[in-house]
Amino acid sequence: EAGVAQSPRYKIIEKRQSVAFWCNPISGHATLYWYQQILGQGPKLLIQFQNNGVVDDSQLPKDRFSAERLKGVDSTLKIQPAKLEDSAVYLCASSLLAGVGGDTQYFGPGTRLTVL
Amino acid sequence: GQNIDQPTEMTATEGAIVQINCTYQTSGFNGLFWYQQHAGEAPTFLSYNVLDGLEEKGRFSSFLSRSKGYSYLLLKELQMKDSASYLCAVRSMNTGFQKLVFGTGTRLLVSP
Repeated sequence: EAGVAQSPRYKIIEKRQSVAFWCNPISGHATLYWYQQILGQGPKLLIQFQNNGVVDDSQLPKDRFSAERLKGVDSTLKIQPAKLEDSAVYLCASSLLAGVGGDTQYFGPGTRLTVL
Repeated sequence: GQNIDQPTEMTATEGAIVQINCTYQTSGFNGLFWYQQHAGEAPTFLSYNVLDGLEEKGRFSSFLSRSKGYSYLLLKELQMKDSASYLCAVRSMNTGFQKLVFGTGTRLLVSP
């Protein structure tokens, strides 16, 4: 079974530039998550999709971050404009169900973003 | 809100046993997960507890006490490859949907 795919793996940009990340979840997984993980911290949920609808985006800085999941499969996360504090690893995860029972989130390899 | 506490760093020797503790405060508790994360890699699922007690899976075991808001991950027969960060994550049910919140992680260093 293929895992969660993400691209690019690494990205270096200057502040005020824009950047986009792509995620392809495990086939059949209805729920998709984007997390931000700053060095030395645990992952922080940015946005959660159930199929193509947003379930939770309470911690997404909506003035600069946006995300979409068209057709309920792939997803993109965009930052525009980027700030220095956005330097982090952006993890995409997917799960089969919406957190029911032992529903487990499976993570992609992440995109390491450096903002100069 | 939620509060999850775990030690920042622990060290242990190859072949030994180590226990990583996690305490949490949350409303609408609906399960606790442990993930392993090697440096520069994605978190990988280790265990899930929703009822009180011990869940054993090979060299790894996880314990939960909901009344105390406490869990631990027990690693036996430590190997060098167990050097990683161990993330405690609590799932809660709020406003109609499930949410998983991660602790900051415990970095475990296994020495020969």
